[in-house]
Amino acid sequence: GENVEQHPSTLSVQEGDSAVIKCTYSDSASNYFPWYKQELGKRPQLIIDIRSNVGEKKDQRIAVTLNKTAKHFSLHITETQPEDSAVYFCAARGRGNTPLVFGKGTRLSVIA
Amino acid sequence: DTGVSQDPRHKITKRGQNVTFRCDPISEHNRLYWYRQTLGQGPEFLTYFQNEAQLEKSRLLSDRFSAERPKGSFSTLEIQRTEQGDSAMYLCASSLGLHTDTQYFGPGTRLTVL
Repeated sequence: GENVEQHPSTLSVQEGDSAVIKCTYSDSASNYFPWYKQELGKRPQLIIDIRSNVGEKKDQRIAVTLNKTAKHFSLHITETQPEDSAVYFCAARGRGNTPLVFGKGTRLSVIA
Repeated sequence: DTGVSQDPRHKITKRGQNVTFRCDPISEHNRLYWYRQTLGQGPEFLTYFQNEAQLEKSRLLSDRFSAERPKGSFSTLEIQRTEQGDSAMYLCASSLGLHTDTQYFGPGTRLTVL
């Protein structure tokens, strides 16, 4: 089955700097890659997703890139703010109705 | 609030007791998923429904776990003879179930087994 690896497990950046989180997946048939943000004690919230027919997607300060050949995708957050501090999870879903497989998460701390 | 809701938000029980959690998905969402999340880990898939049909169950779902979605709307997750290892956050998510399968999560039920 699908396996998703996420790095780094923790990341500290200065406010205003960029943050990059990387994930790799094992199933070449996977076609959907969402990113979730989870603040302490709260539900995971979708922040951006990408499908296998595009290589990049951007939404304001957040962007995701996908490299299908290398089977990896990355989350980029620019101009980080303290409210970006949270745990971020990547996930991958194989073809059809297979369930999402999540990475172990990255704890991002934005230092003011 | 039109998002996914779960009840209860917290449950403390003694080992060996049975517990039942409820999830109400977003209206008109056909798919409903159950996940388990432990500290420092991402959500792990347990099972999912397409309307009232349970289509897939994870190997994580032992025979002490059972889930239902009798009318294709809300769902219940029951754990029988709870064990300390069952302590976790149980998350529910729903999606439209069409080509776009964006999943929206509920706030979760935190289970503590003493």
